[in-house]
Amino acid sequence: SAVISQKPSRDICQRGTSLTIQCQVDSQVTMMFWYRQQPGQSLTLIATANQGSEATYESGFVIDKFPISRPNLTFSTLTVSNMSPEDSSIYLCSSRGLAGVSETQYFGPGTRLLVL
Amino acid sequence: SQQGEEDPQALSIQEGENATMNCSYKTSINNLQWYRQNSGRGLVHLILIRSNEREKHSGRLRVTLDTSKKSSSLLITASRAADTASYFCATAPNGGGTSYGKLTFGQGTILTVHP
Repeated sequence: SAVISQKPSRDICQRGTSLTIQCQVDSQVTMMFWYRQQPGQSLTLIATANQGSEATYESGFVIDKFPISRPNLTFSTLTVSNMSPEDSSIYLCSSRGLAGVSETQYFGPGTRLLVL
Repeated sequence: SQQGEEDPQALSIQEGENATMNCSYKTSINNLQWYRQNSGRGLVHLILIRSNEREKHSGRLRVTLDTSKKSSSLLITASRAADTASYFCATAPNGGGTSYGKLTFGQGTILTVHP
């Protein structure tokens, strides 16, 4: 199983600022994903972090607001830009291994963000 | 968009009782995965069931899948206070390409087990 760590675990930010969340996986993985969980809600996929190319965003999410990097097969960052209180959520990184090898998707511990 | 629906939304039981949670989905799937989340923390993977499987067991967990009804259930037997958490089902779509690996989550069931 993959072990995923995220930094920071939580933060309190002022509106208008940006926060970059880091995700580290303990092994090389094909796919990395970023999810958002708004208070009391389920998880929604923000984007797929592609290694060596731009991230692929889901409907309702745009690169200007949530720029993503994935410089290698074990690391990705998500930036929440120009934050507003509506961005207060838990942000979770997820990974999946090689196609045909592992179907299980693992999640990091999440980053709890509060925007004032 | 969330295609999964879970019921009940909340379940309260006594220690030792069994807990059953249900999940329904709308599109064709490759597999369905169940997760547990404690108090807004990260998700812990519980069990994965493939579309060609009907039942799977892991310890005190039993998962069933009925692809004709597009539904799944998670049974926790002999529940413990430590099982108190939110439980989510998530479906992985069929096919590859841009849909590969994207999970769609249900709304979750909040389980409370009283000691």
